[in-house]
Amino acid sequence: QSALTQPASVSGSPGQSITISCTGTSSDIGTFNYVSWYQQHPDKAPKLIIYDVTNRPSGVSNRFSGSKSGNTASLTISGLQAEDEADYSCSSFTSSSTLTFGGGTKLTVL
Amino acid sequence: EVQLVQSGAEVKKPGESLKIFCKGSGYTFISYWIGWVRQMPGKGLEWMAMIYPGDSDTRYSPSFQGQVTISADKSISTAFLQWNSLKASDTAIYYCARHASLGRTVDYWGQGTLVTVSS
Repeated sequence: QSALTQPASVSGSPGQSITISCTGTSSDIGTFNYVSWYQQHPDKAPKLIIYDVTNRPSGVSNRFSGSKSGNTASLTISGLQAEDEADYSCSSFTSSSTLTFGGGTKLTVL
Repeated sequence: EVQLVQSGAEVKKPGESLKIFCKGSGYTFISYWIGWVRQMPGKGLEWMAMIYPGDSDTRYSPSFQGQVTISADKSISTAFLQWNSLKASDTAIYYCARHASLGRTVDYWGQGTLVTVSS
């Protein structure tokens, strides 16, 4: 299984919206609605922010939203805030009944 | 409150063996897959393996199959990750990860265990 493909970096100004893509294959994202997104601040453990493509865990801001089309999933962050500056990673369930992660995207809030 | 508490940092030499652990609390340990995720210095997350403590069923990433062994002791709600012969390239932070939705997402993470392999 190959890692999912994410852009290395994205940036946006406070108040703007950004979208991070996560591209897989028909063996993972394309077949299963089990895409998750994680936020990781420097020197911290990751935190789940989206699961099952579109669902937010309790306590996660509704500024975070997820979607999927074909083999590509997306995370959108609206109303960017300074505290959103972090690394974001996607994961997907696979046809081998395992998980695979994306390489991660560094978000810079300008 | 769900908590995953991992063992402390380790410094090892190439060729040595190592077993790190992760103790779960605040939930029914045998009812959730639990696994390990590697993060090499400055790099992204890599899913390694998971185990279902209820029946010891295991799943491995092809990249890590044969390189590590995952196990669990349900009597003490603890998962383990073991190496028989460490390499310098095993230097990384290893996160314990509880998997929800029948293993399809990671909903809770441990604090991470830094493993440094150096001669």
